[in-house]
Amino acid sequence: GIQVEQSPPDLILQEGANSTLRCNFSDSVNNLQWFHQNPWGQLINLFYIPSGTKQNGRLSATTVATERYSLLYISSSQTTDSGVYFCAVGIYNQGGKLIFGQGTELSVKP
Amino acid sequence: DAGVIQSPRHEVTEMGQEVTLRCKPISGHNSLFWYRQTMMRGLELLIYFNNNVPIDDSGMPEDRFSAKMPNASFSTLKIQPSEPRDSAVYFCASSLQSGIHNEQFFGPGTRLTVL
Repeated sequence: GIQVEQSPPDLILQEGANSTLRCNFSDSVNNLQWFHQNPWGQLINLFYIPSGTKQNGRLSATTVATERYSLLYISSSQTTDSGVYFCAVGIYNQGGKLIFGQGTELSVKP
Repeated sequence: DAGVIQSPRHEVTEMGQEVTLRCKPISGHNSLFWYRQTMMRGLELLIYFNNNVPIDDSGMPEDRFSAKMPNASFSTLKIQPSEPRDSAVYFCASSLQSGIHNEQFFGPGTRLTVL
């Protein structure tokens, strides 16, 4: 089955720093989503981005489908950005189910 | 807009008891998914429905688990009998599968503890 690998597994930042999270996947996808799991366990949709580039405030994401990777950029990080960031992909002919990576745990220190 | 609604939010039960988790998808969505999150295995799909029909239940761990979707606005995931290894957070998600844009939205989850 498709493999989804995220890096780094852990990241500690000082408030105000920038960071880049990476998601590699092993097959063609028709869905790619980035989620933030906050400290209360909720999965918050960040981006639906099977290809191209999107921006939402301090966050942006780029997916290069032909090279099978996606990047999530966090600029001017805040303590509220702490939590786990998941990349999840869906592939053709497998309905809508998502395959999740193992996540990047981000801790932003004040 | 109401998001995906799950109940209960927390459930503590004893081994051997029946557990029923409930989910109301976003109105208008035609696909519903049940996922489980554990420390060991991360987030994994258990089963999903399209237009109320189960499409893929290959992630259901064993016969103790069953799921139903009697109508477009309600689904249940049942564990009978429950075991301590079933302790996890169970998420329900829904999407509108249009072939073009099929973004999934997740509920708040049910944290299940089996003693």
